[in-house]
Amino acid sequence: TQLLEQSPQFLSIQEGENLTVYCNSSSVFSSLQWYRQEPGEGPVLLVTVVTGGEVKKLKRLTFQFGDARKDSSLHITAAQPGDTGLYLCAGDTTTDSWGKLQFGAGTQVVVTP
Amino acid sequence: NAGVTQTPKFQVLKTGQSMTLQCAQDMNHEYMSWYRQDPGMGLRLIHYSVGAGITDQGEVPNGYNVSRSTTEDFPLRLLPAAPSQTSVYFCASRLQGGTEAFFGQGTRLTVV
Repeated sequence: TQLLEQSPQFLSIQEGENLTVYCNSSSVFSSLQWYRQEPGEGPVLLVTVVTGGEVKKLKRLTFQFGDARKDSSLHITAAQPGDTGLYLCAGDTTTDSWGKLQFGAGTQVVVTP
Repeated sequence: NAGVTQTPKFQVLKTGQSMTLQCAQDMNHEYMSWYRQDPGMGLRLIHYSVGAGITDQGEVPNGYNVSRSTTEDFPLRLLPAAPSQTSVYFCASRLQGGTEAFFGQGTRLTVV
């Protein structure tokens, strides 16, 4: 059982559509991060959220951290083929666990033209 | 900047052979970690280190050994290799304080 549960596992949409990816846990996180991974590459950080209720925007991507700091969502508006990739959420449960960043299983997003 | 460098990129081993995956970072990061990535499982933490001389186990440590003699290097040893260790392995490093994790490009390992 993974500490972070992501849903859905797979998402296929047409260019221009919106999508939301969810990351849930029963644990409280001191910080939560979203990464995107391309085939054959390591994950690359998109955003870090640290405050309950926080909302961060990165162009067409909107990230939200739940009030209780147990869950997060990633919303993409007007998706483009370049948004295709594996989206991973990752979290630190305490400030003593900086070396122990744990990941969800990921959501594979495919955006077709 | 080289960032995090992993070698080799690809490796095929026979069951029972030993192998060390190399990881080096040039960013003076305190924290380094090894993950394995399998389809549908995401990234699972094998071992991690919070500084030279200090290592600890992650979620899936069995069959792997690590050491951290310098800040820069964090090798992962498979002793001995088993087919269940077929996976893609990623090394990552971070600064203290929960900042961004920087990843290497991965090592694709097949054990036959």
